[in-house]
Amino acid sequence: GENVEQHPSTLSVQEGDSAVIKCTYSDSASNYFPWYKQELGKRPQLIIDIRSNVGEKKDQRIAVTLNKTAKHFSLHITETQPEDSAVYFCAALIAGGYQKVTFGTGTKLQVIP
Amino acid sequence: NAGVTQTPKFQVLKTGQSMTLQCAQDMNHNSMYWYRQDPGMGLRLIYYSASEGTTDKGEVPNGYNVSRLNKREFSLRLESAAPSQTSVYFCASSSGQIQETQYFGPGTRLLVL
Repeated sequence: GENVEQHPSTLSVQEGDSAVIKCTYSDSASNYFPWYKQELGKRPQLIIDIRSNVGEKKDQRIAVTLNKTAKHFSLHITETQPEDSAVYFCAALIAGGYQKVTFGTGTKLQVIP
Repeated sequence: NAGVTQTPKFQVLKTGQSMTLQCAQDMNHNSMYWYRQDPGMGLRLIYYSASEGTTDKGEVPNGYNVSRLNKREFSLRLESAAPSQTSVYFCASSSGQIQETQYFGPGTRLLVL
């Protein structure tokens, strides 16, 4: 089955700096890669996703890049703000009639004011 | 439109007791999921239901049973709770179509003594 590794497990950055979280996956058939943000005590929520037919996607201060050859994808947050502090999960799955998602173990991001 | 709801929010059990966690969604989604979240372990899939009338095991099904009562409701049952089942449980749903979002419930915090 699919295996997703996520690094780092914790990340501290100064407000205004950039943050990068990296994930690797094992199943070359995976073709959809969402990122979820989970604030303390709350539910995970989708923040951005990327499909296998594109290499990069951007939404304001967040962007995701995908390298299918190397089987890795990354989340980039620029101009970080205190409200970006949360746990971020990457995931990988094979598109199909249903979704069985494999999540990474999460990255706890702390943005220091 | 409440999205995905879960009950209870918090529960304390003694070892050997049983209980059922309830989940309902009002988005007319086909697929529903149960995850558990432990510190440092990310989200692990317990069971899922690709569509009404079907259920399948996920990564960590031992000690649990599920029932897809109808399209809206998907319950998780612990027949004989163990301390190792202390965790936060999230229900999620998705439309079941290709490459789309999972919507999570608010979670149930379970403590087994």
